[in-house]
Amino acid sequence: EADIYQTPRYLVIGTGKKITLECSQTMGHDKMYWYQQDPGMELHLIHYSYGVNSTEKGDLSSESTVSRIRTEHFPLTLESARPSHTSQYLCASSELGLASYNEQFFGPGTRLTVL
Amino acid sequence: GQQVMQIPQYQHVQEGEDFTTYCNSSTTLSNIQWYKQRPGGHPVFLIQLVKSGEVKKQKRLTFQFGEAKKNSSLHITATQTTDVGTYFCAGRGSGSARQLTFGSGTQLTVLP
Repeated sequence: EADIYQTPRYLVIGTGKKITLECSQTMGHDKMYWYQQDPGMELHLIHYSYGVNSTEKGDLSSESTVSRIRTEHFPLTLESARPSHTSQYLCASSELGLASYNEQFFGPGTRLTVL
Repeated sequence: GQQVMQIPQYQHVQEGEDFTTYCNSSTTLSNIQWYKQRPGGHPVFLIQLVKSGEVKKQKRLTFQFGEAKKNSSLHITATQTTDVGTYFCAGRGSGSARQLTFGSGTQLTVLP
């Protein structure tokens, strides 16, 4: 069954720790995204990728970094977590094509709390 | 940069009442998508509108795209408790602004 997975689902961590949020999809999608969403608020695009070895920064400035070594995998890393990073992080994927129809499929999200 | 505004931010309705959320973009859009996020869940795609003046229906949900392709609306007829959640519009710009920009969402509460 095609799907998009995120781990961990919940993470509580101390300030200064390095963390990696995992995202994988089995749909063969070229395009992948990371969004940051505070509870009840809008989604802010922080990173996206068009395919392997492609990464771009989104509209919202973020201290996180991403990599895309494999099509199905798009991890997000925070080198030194701070309380201001506390939020929900949503990973999504979509087909890449010239057609404008490309719905995004979202993972379940990682709820990060930095103490 | 492209901005997408959505109103109202919150809406409480009695079950059976209608509900509408409105989305306005600062720039002309190539298309607009709508997503629903249940409490504690993740956004799920509902529909995409591409053509000027387009109207699409999904059972009790009616989606409209404005003639100028700068605004859109989602109307739910006779709400049910299963309609509870936050509804987001997401607009895609033209030219270099090709990423989706999400609106702030409308949080719908349906009282039984």
